[in-house]
Amino acid sequence: AQSVTQLGSHVSVSEGALVLLRCNYSSSVPPYLFWYVQYPNQGLQLLLKYTSAATLVKGINGFEAEFKKSETSFHLTKPSAHMSDAAEYFCALSNTGNQFYFGTGTSLTVIP
Amino acid sequence: KAGVTQTPRYLIKTRGQQVTLSCSPISGHRSVSWYQQTPGQGLQFLFEYFSETQRNKGNFPGRFSGRQFSNSRSEMNVSTLELGDSALYLCASSSVTGQANYGYTFGSGTRLTVV
Repeated sequence: AQSVTQLGSHVSVSEGALVLLRCNYSSSVPPYLFWYVQYPNQGLQLLLKYTSAATLVKGINGFEAEFKKSETSFHLTKPSAHMSDAAEYFCALSNTGNQFYFGTGTSLTVIP
Repeated sequence: KAGVTQTPRYLIKTRGQQVTLSCSPISGHRSVSWYQQTPGQGLQFLFEYFSETQRNKGNFPGRFSGRQFSNSRSEMNVSTLELGDSALYLCASSSVTGQANYGYTFGSGTRLTVV
């Protein structure tokens, strides 16, 4: 069975601090993995995706994520948080069945 | 290139009415999916259309329906609206090749309020 688990529905960081949003997945076949960001009353915007090339994936706005098969994880990081990073973040998985599985989301608050 | 366009952006309807939402995918994308997003339930998959055929369907009542046209534009319809249908409805298109979904591009959504 395929699933995505995001640990922590709410994360708060100080401006300039490291951002770490956690995502673990379960998949019976090699997955494609994605991180999306959503600002209030907007659609989801793709931050980055892993499609079995390099395990360290760089995305937009300074975010990156590392695919770790042994840990079944795809955590999202950013070295220094900015106020504009405050948003909802979703981890997602797709596989050869062209189904998409979303996590429940993590709301990121950036404290000035 | 143009993104995914959803119209209208906001809608207010009365219980019992019906509503039709529209989605124009990115040019060349043949797969269109619809999601309902609410604070309590998160993102819930409604259905996916590919080349005018419904390929996947989520666990929603028959009041929720959709269709896709030959130009890949899609509509979803909700009949006999209930208060609980108030939500942000998101459309997403993707360039599915073979069996792989390389990721969605989302529209900005339609905010439906049922009063």
